[in-house]
Amino acid sequence: EPEVTQTPSHQVTQMGQEVILRCVPISNHLYFYWYRQILGQKVEFLVSFYNNEISEKSEIFDDQFSVERPDGSNFTLKIRSTKLEDSAMYFCASSSRYKDSTDTQYFGPGTRLTVL
Amino acid sequence: DQQVKQNSPSLSVQEGRISILNCDYTNSMFDYFLWYKKYPAEGPTFLISISSIKDKNEDGRFTVFLNKSAKHLSLHIVPSQPGDSAVYFCAASDSGTASKLTFGTGTRLQVTL
Repeated sequence: EPEVTQTPSHQVTQMGQEVILRCVPISNHLYFYWYRQILGQKVEFLVSFYNNEISEKSEIFDDQFSVERPDGSNFTLKIRSTKLEDSAMYFCASSSRYKDSTDTQYFGPGTRLTVL
Repeated sequence: DQQVKQNSPSLSVQEGRISILNCDYTNSMFDYFLWYKKYPAEGPTFLISISSIKDKNEDGRFTVFLNKSAKHLSLHIVPSQPGDSAVYFCAASDSGTASKLTFGTGTRLQVTL
């Protein structure tokens, strides 16, 4: 069964450093998302991406964040200068359709980001 | 801004009995609802969904009920199995604007022997 994969599973970084989290969405999906979950809190939407551009972003997704689809398979989230409060689980998700209420998003296993 | 609420942080049910997990929402624009199951250190796994044009959707042991007037949905698991022990998240989206999911805080289900 096709699945979303994410690397690395755990990333430890120093405050102020740049990190890139990588995702390989399900191959025939066209819509991609990043979510995060801070420990003990709920899963929060960060950004959605379609046709090589951002479709929607949340207030969390400020100028320190960027997304890219550098090739036909990878989808990346970059944090330019990490802060302590960026420590969280980051989940990538993909879906086959957009603005369709019957669509379902499938999630990857997550990357745990720890900022020291 | 809790647009999706799961008021029970935890639930314990005996194996073989019914588990009922509840979810309330406040945004009347939501028209698609999903339940995800999550184990520690893993991503949310899709379980079942329901569109606002329906009031019930069934898939094996899982049934989701939607009460639009009360802005309430519930997930029924019958019969409950020990492998069902996990955190269950309710999520909702508004297809009219974007398909981002808004999640509840989750309910930890423990199925005991």
